[in-house]
Amino acid sequence: ETGVTQTPRHLVMGMTNKKSLKCEQHLGHNAMYWYKQSAKKPLELMFVYSLEERVENNSVPSRFSPECPNSSHLFLHLHTLQPEDSALYLCASTRDRTHEKLFFGSGTQLSVL
Amino acid sequence: AQTVTQSQPEMSVQEAETVTLSCTYDTSESDYYLFWYKQPPSRQMILVIRQEAYKQQNATENRFSVNFQKAAKSFSLKISDSQLGDAAMYFCAYRSTGANSKLTFGKGITLSVRP
Repeated sequence: ETGVTQTPRHLVMGMTNKKSLKCEQHLGHNAMYWYKQSAKKPLELMFVYSLEERVENNSVPSRFSPECPNSSHLFLHLHTLQPEDSALYLCASTRDRTHEKLFFGSGTQLSVL
Repeated sequence: AQTVTQSQPEMSVQEAETVTLSCTYDTSESDYYLFWYKQPPSRQMILVIRQEAYKQQNATENRFSVNFQKAAKSFSLKISDSQLGDAAMYFCAYRSTGANSKLTFGKGITLSVRP
């Protein structure tokens, strides 16, 4: 069993759809992260949650809405996305919010049509 | 702001040979951390190696080692005895020592291993 699990693995959605990405960690970590990975660009940090509290939001458009109901689960709710939002969305966790030794999931490959 | 540059988008190595992946960074800080992460086709990134800037000794993890040149702000990854399973994207990353500091990643390099 991998430490960080993401579902779905692939997602295709229209610009008017609403969908959610799910992340679950089984490592007992207290911090969780959403990253966006686009081709030929560095990973972009989107959100950071520490002990279920959002501690960072890096100027992400409001069409991305994170939710952290407990320290093991993290969601990214998507609505009215744009084609440029197509990317690999990676979830990660760390023992605490020092960004030390990230444990990543396998990501959700999102295509917005 | 810190930046991390990986200027080579792709590299190739023969199985069992040695390959070096380059990374440079820009910072005004004297103490920080540097990392190499590997992203195989499964897409799950894993930490390969970590270096603390105040340590002069280069970090080593089995077949993976780094050449850390602090004055040159260079942090290259050497993979010895390359294996087919080493084929992946490799990302160099920087983090300052502040408690809430973020990781800054490079664009990554795709390494292919020829059998």
